Amino acid sequence: DTEVTQTPKHLVMGMTNKKSLKCEQHMGHRAMYWYKQKAKKPPELMFVYSYEKLSINESVPSRFSPECPNSSLLNLHLHALQPEDSALYLCASSQEGTGTEAFFGQGTRLTVV
Amino acid sequence: SQQGEEDPQALSIQEGENATMNCSYKTSINNLQWYRQNSGRGLVHLILIRSNEREKHSGRLRVTLDTSKKSSSLLITASRAADTASYFCALDTGGFKTIFGAGTRLFVKA
Repeated sequence: DTEVTQTPKHLVMGMTNKKSLKCEQHMGHRAMYWYKQKAKKPPELMFVYSYEKLSINESVPSRFSPECPNSSLLNLHLHALQPEDSALYLCASSQEGTGTEAFFGQGTRLTVV
Repeated sequence: SQQGEEDPQALSIQEGENATMNCSYKTSINNLQWYRQNSGRGLVHLILIRSNEREKHSGRLRVTLDTSKKSSSLLITASRAADTASYFCALDTGGFKTIFGAGTRLFVKA
């Protein structure tokens, strides 16, 4: 199984809502990532978990809260988002850190209204 | 900026032609990878080239890396309509941090 599964595929939320994005992989990868991608732009790294511990936070606003409940799951909790947070959110995993292939999920298309 | 810069930004070719896209960067890297993305979906890994390698092949793909010029190129030979996608170079700067280039949008006309 070489899949990274993200749910939901699409999400529309109001600025006062709380929602969560979920990501799952069963490849035994020890590193998991959240990226944000705006239209016609490259993915931008948000968070990296290594061995279930947060190792990189790219100065992401606190309205985004990551969580890694176990080695297969990665969540991104969303609260009080702004319309400019609308984007494609991509989850990825890799066996190790850089220097190894990253596997990406299909993303969650988030719209904040 | 550490971000890789890619050119061209967009490329339109006929099926059967070759497509070349380039990536230039400013920082030191351990490895460089190329990814493909189909219309706002997830990225798919194409090839990884290490800093001590100069050229690598995978099927119809050929990647070169010149660390002295801080540049890499991706060549797709005998392109197909299914190759239509955005292509990103990704810079491995160490640890878990990968920085993506701006991307080249390739359109292959049947």
